[in-house]
Amino acid sequence: LAKTTQPISMDSYEGQEVNITCSHNNIATNDYITWYQQFPSQGPRFIIQGYKTKVTNEVASLFIPADRKSSTLSLPRVSLSDTAVYYCLVGAPKAAGNKLTFGGGTRVLVKP
Amino acid sequence: GAVVSQHPSRVICKSGTSVKIECRSLDFQATTMFWYRQFPKQSLMLMATSNEGSKATYEQGVEKDKFLINHASLTLSTLTVTSAHPEDSSFYICSASSGGSTYNEQFFGPGTRLTVL
Repeated sequence: LAKTTQPISMDSYEGQEVNITCSHNNIATNDYITWYQQFPSQGPRFIIQGYKTKVTNEVASLFIPADRKSSTLSLPRVSLSDTAVYYCLVGAPKAAGNKLTFGGGTRVLVKP
Repeated sequence: GAVVSQHPSRVICKSGTSVKIECRSLDFQATTMFWYRQFPKQSLMLMATSNEGSKATYEQGVEKDKFLINHASLTLSTLTVTSAHPEDSSFYICSASSGGSTYNEQFFGPGTRLTVL
């Protein structure tokens, strides 16, 4: 499974855009990039997933350059409730028994 | 849809006792369920993978005789922490996968906080 590297923490303010970049230099051809959000004392929640270029949903956007060695999760106009840990995961669909390997995550603190 | 529940949400027990945690997929059939452990300020660590009707596959370093996993049906998996000790105090999270999607999306339960006195 490809290893991921993310910043440990990041501070922002309400209304700002938050961009979290994840490095995954050893990503394999079949690997997808998935981001999860976790609030304290809760299970992770799926945010977004992509393979290449750009993916957007109602919560976030995911930018993936052509070489796919990194990806950036973009959270538009964050609010206090977006304070959480964000995990970037890389893996192939249905590979390795569908196991997910969580890295360290990025602790995002949104300030008023 | 795709809701996973866990019971209990928190449990406090004495050292040496056994604790059972249930994980249920409420609105889908989970062919595979996963159990994770998370210590404070740390990431999730996969403990084991269980498929309905078969023995669980444990990750390296996880004692299978201490953490008993049963996946008796497509909607229920249980984790039993046997002879619990204070070092087993942690946040235990399960996830479930239907296996039918094109990618390996897992749906996570809300977690169970175990405190062993």
